[in-house]
Amino acid sequence: EIVLTQSPGTMSLSPGERATLSCRASQSVSSSSLAWYQQKPGQAPRLLIYGAFTRATGIPDRFSGSGSGTDFTLTISRLEPEDFAVYYCHQCGSSPITFGQGTRLEIK
Amino acid sequence: EVQLLESGGGLVQPGGSLRLSCAASRFTFSSYAMSWVRQAPGKGLEWVSTIRPTGAYTYYADSVKGRFTIFRDNSKNTLYLQMNSLRAEDTALYYCAKLRGSGVSECPDYWGQGTLVTVSS
Repeated sequence: EIVLTQSPGTMSLSPGERATLSCRASQSVSSSSLAWYQQKPGQAPRLLIYGAFTRATGIPDRFSGSGSGTDFTLTISRLEPEDFAVYYCHQCGSSPITFGQGTRLEIK
Repeated sequence: EVQLLESGGGLVQPGGSLRLSCAASRFTFSSYAMSWVRQAPGKGLEWVSTIRPTGAYTYYADSVKGRFTIFRDNSKNTLYLQMNSLRAEDTALYYCAKLRGSGVSECPDYWGQGTLVTVSS
């Protein structure tokens, strides 16, 4: 099983700042099978990034994904008030399919 | 836009059964793989099961294998999850998710709002 470890667990930043979220895999993940989701309280997850770096439809360009192998990063260049949420990385290329434990991005 | 509407959740005793449904619309349901993903209260996301477009191939997490069955009716644009021998640890919000393609190595791109399953005596 591929274990995805996200860091930090919680991140406190202010609007306008840059956020860098990390996702480390216990073994190599195909870049085509790495995604990032945003989840707000009481809502379903929303796809932000797939294939490690491709933005999903309608996702603002302040969101970007990068990385390969075992290390992946989600960057939010300038935080907007609506970006404060929980973020999950996810690998769907190796069974069992796994999610990271999440990074909570909170307003400082 | 894609719509996924789950139903069938509720309160069930340990050892009981439930069948979840997910009504899909605004996309060609029969062309896409589909998954169930659950989220225990206050916890993260856990993959449960995936089914390929024709229904011929299914995949399960070890935690539900032998107890849960995923199936679909492409004529009704509906995905199902039959859950038997339910345990307290199955308590969660169950999401239906559409995968980006027909293969099981595709990640979900759309999610329903979820249906809550509570297993308790």
